[in-house]
Amino acid sequence: AQKITQTQPGMFVQEKEAVTLDCTYDTSDPSYGLFWYKQPSSGEMIFLIYQGSYDQQNATEGRYSLNFQKARKSANLVISASQLGDSAMYFCAMRVSGGGADGLTFGKGTHLIIQP
Amino acid sequence: NAGVMQNPRHLVRRRGQEARLRCSPMKGHSHVYWYRQLPEEGLKFMVYLQKENIIDESGMPKERFSAEFPKEGPSILRIQQVVRGDSAAYFCASSRSWTGGLYEQYFGPGTRLTVT
Repeated sequence: AQKITQTQPGMFVQEKEAVTLDCTYDTSDPSYGLFWYKQPSSGEMIFLIYQGSYDQQNATEGRYSLNFQKARKSANLVISASQLGDSAMYFCAMRVSGGGADGLTFGKGTHLIIQP
Repeated sequence: NAGVMQNPRHLVRRRGQEARLRCSPMKGHSHVYWYRQLPEEGLKFMVYLQKENIIDESGMPKERFSAEFPKEGPSILRIQQVVRGDSAAYFCASSRSWTGGLYEQYFGPGTRLTVT
């Protein structure tokens, strides 16, 4: 079974600062993918970034980057130069490759608030 | 290029009634996933479907819940004889054909079900 742990229920960050949201995962499958989603107060789930377990380099998408440390089983999301619009819930999720092809396993999320 | 469509966005049902939630995947996507989000929690996987096939329903409650994805038309999540504990946001996601890759899932806006 897979498990995602997000240990920061909430974070307050000053605008323009960089933010790191923690995520650790647990799986025995060697092939898996890690995802981050943003959920603003309006409720929709917005895909941010993806990291494959065999990817050699850390994923980046604009201001988002994923600090992937495989040995530590961590996949932290880094947001550079935070903006007020970054205030939202952030969820880390995982999916494993293999016969079942089941859905994503989500963490409980981190509520990020960017302060002016 | 329309995203994942879900309707209705909000649904109110009295205890004992039936709830039908609809999901149309993104164009070109043939895999549909349903998730449930209880208040203050992350999303929990319910079921994974392809056209006319349920691939994985390991997250579905054993009773009252069913899902289908017919050859024509949207995927339907059906909850019979709803109870107050069914009140939640139900999200549908879709992805490209699964060929062993771990493609990202794109989410719809969700249906907020309230049982009174």
